[in-house]
Amino acid sequence: NAGVTQTPKFRILKIGQSMTLQCTQDMNHNYMYWYRQDPGMGLKLIYYSVGAGITDKGEVPNGYNVSRSTTEDFPLRLELAAPSQTSVYFCASGTGIGQYFGPGTRLTVT
Amino acid sequence: EDKVVQSPLSLVVHEGDTVTLNCSYEVTNFRSLLWYKQEKKAPTFLFMLTSSGIEKKSGRLSSILDKKELSSILNITATQTGDSAIYLCAVESTGAGSYQLTFGKGTKLSVIP
Repeated sequence: NAGVTQTPKFRILKIGQSMTLQCTQDMNHNYMYWYRQDPGMGLKLIYYSVGAGITDKGEVPNGYNVSRSTTEDFPLRLELAAPSQTSVYFCASGTGIGQYFGPGTRLTVT
Repeated sequence: EDKVVQSPLSLVVHEGDTVTLNCSYEVTNFRSLLWYKQEKKAPTFLFMLTSSGIEKKSGRLSSILDKKELSSILNITATQTGDSAIYLCAVESTGAGSYQLTFGKGTKLSVIP
């Protein structure tokens, strides 16, 4: 099993550009999550999903969108990137007991 | 607003020492408390503690949940340099169709030979 994979690993965006962060898991987990981690600030939940077709907002959803058309995939869309979205983004999946994290995407918006 | 506070923020110990990391929380509709270890990249799951499972142990690591004091501790005995990492505490809460997972800022543990 590859576990949770994320692409890209790094990305630099200009202000106002859009992009999609990809996340795929091969563990057949129902739960999937997107977090952002800023230095010294811990992780903050952006969106989560409890199954295909079901998504909901976390603590910091503004500026982001998600979809969950399959169990495996949970892409995160950034529309109109802003410098405040510079962060490391982690995708995670789980069964409801703990979570397995992907390797992260380091995004810089300039 | 849900709140999770970890202490200390950083800690330096020598190999072989025992350490205790603290996590306190204020949440509505508590569901569980989770501990993670984060080295260079992604966090890895350590323990999940709930009302029905308030103590967990794995090797040199153990954790206890005190629901009365709204806190948890993570103990590491006989520390090794490989234990150097940031330890994250998170609390899950649910209610009325909503779900929240709130992380603390972490405790950075450095173990020196």
